[in-house]
Amino acid sequence: DIQMTQSPSSLSASVGDRVTITCRASQAIYNYLNWYQQKPGKAPNLLIYAASNLQSGVPSRFSGSRSGTDFTLSISTLHPEDFATYFCHQSHSTPNTFGQGTKLEI
Amino acid sequence: EVQLVQSGAEVKKPGESLRISCKVAGYSLTTNWISWVRQMPGKGLEWMGRIDPNDSYTNYRQSLQGHVTISADKSINTAYLQWSSLKASDTAMYYCATRDGSLGFFDNWGQGTLVTVSS
Repeated sequence: DIQMTQSPSSLSASVGDRVTITCRASQAIYNYLNWYQQKPGKAPNLLIYAASNLQSGVPSRFSGSRSGTDFTLSISTLHPEDFATYFCHQSHSTPNTFGQGTKLEI
Repeated sequence: EVQLVQSGAEVKKPGESLRISCKVAGYSLTTNWISWVRQMPGKGLEWMGRIDPNDSYTNYRQSLQGHVTISADKSINTAYLQWSSLKASDTAMYYCATRDGSLGFFDNWGQGTLVTVSS
């Protein structure tokens, strides 16, 4: 199975900050990397697909990038509603695997 | 608008059987594969398996093979996840999601079904 190592596991930040979350794949997954946001008691919500494509309806302060097997989710200016847990997901191979999650806290 | 509506929370005893459902509204079930994702209490997301509703071809996470069954009924636009013998370790929130055909991302999610297995 492809291992997705996500860091940090938690992150304290303030409204207006810029934050970055990273996922590293254990082998090549090309651009088959997606990012989701999950709020307590809710289903995950797709933010970024294929490493850097913004899902329709997602604010432009969210962006994704890739360098080899390293992937980054950035939020340029934190809004109050951005405090949530974020997961990366590789869809290159079966079984699909997720990162452990990053809890973004105030 | 695509909506996935899942069946309600369940409380079961170890050894009991269970089937939970995921009804797709707003487009045909056969448009994309359906995946099931598990989230144990306080934990991360785990892909369980998927089905192509066109021909009912399925893939499972190896550790769950034989323990769960994914199926679909095209006539009522509904996918299912079932167990014949539940374990306490099956206690989790279960989500269904539509999977993009070429890039594999999960773009639409059900609201989740909480399954609690306890004696």
